[in-house]
Amino acid sequence: AQSVTQPDIHITVSEGASLELRCNYSYGATPYLFWYVQSPGQGLQLLLKYFSGDTLVQGIKGFEAEFKRSQSSFNLRKPSVHWSDAAEYFCAVGQPGGGGGNKLTFGTGTQLKVEL
Amino acid sequence: GAGVSQSPRYKVAKRGQDVALRCDPISGHVSLFWYQQALGQGPEFLTYFQNEAQLDKSGLPSDRFFAERPEGSVSTLKIQRTQQEDSAVYLCASSLSNDQPQHFGDGTRLSIL
Repeated sequence: AQSVTQPDIHITVSEGASLELRCNYSYGATPYLFWYVQSPGQGLQLLLKYFSGDTLVQGIKGFEAEFKRSQSSFNLRKPSVHWSDAAEYFCAVGQPGGGGGNKLTFGTGTQLKVEL
Repeated sequence: GAGVSQSPRYKVAKRGQDVALRCDPISGHVSLFWYQQALGQGPEFLTYFQNEAQLDKSGLPSDRFFAERPEGSVSTLKIQRTQQEDSAVYLCASSLSNDQPQHFGDGTRLSIL
């Protein structure tokens, strides 16, 4: 069964500092990989996705993520954090071609706090 | 509408009551998913529809949970004889096809007293 680990429950960074959120997955082959962001009381907004091809993926709001097969990781990065980036971030994996229609398995999330 | 719409946004029910949660997906989206998000956790898969067919219901926690999508658009998640452990946010997502990203609604926060 596929699983996702987000080792950091909470992260605090200063505005303007760089950010890296960690994500490790367990899956038998190359999965589909996603990062979503959730603000309080809101649904999940897709930041970026990896299906295949270039392992460095660009997303919205200046975020990027790199797929590293050897480390089973898909870490999210941003060079300079803005106060509006404070939210909860979820990494998720999907099963390509699976009968479940690409149902997603999520990590437990990383709560990002931005200090002004 | 432009996005996935869920109603109600908040639902409070007494233990033992039945509840129905509605999801209106993005027009034309074939795939529809329901997830349950407990407090402080990531969403967990409940069930999946392709058009009107429920192809995967492996995540439904008990036979008290039932979902339908009779005309291949709007979906309803029904919980019978609610229990306190059913308290959670229920998220609906839709996608154009299996290999396209899912778009999420804002969820229904269900509280069972």
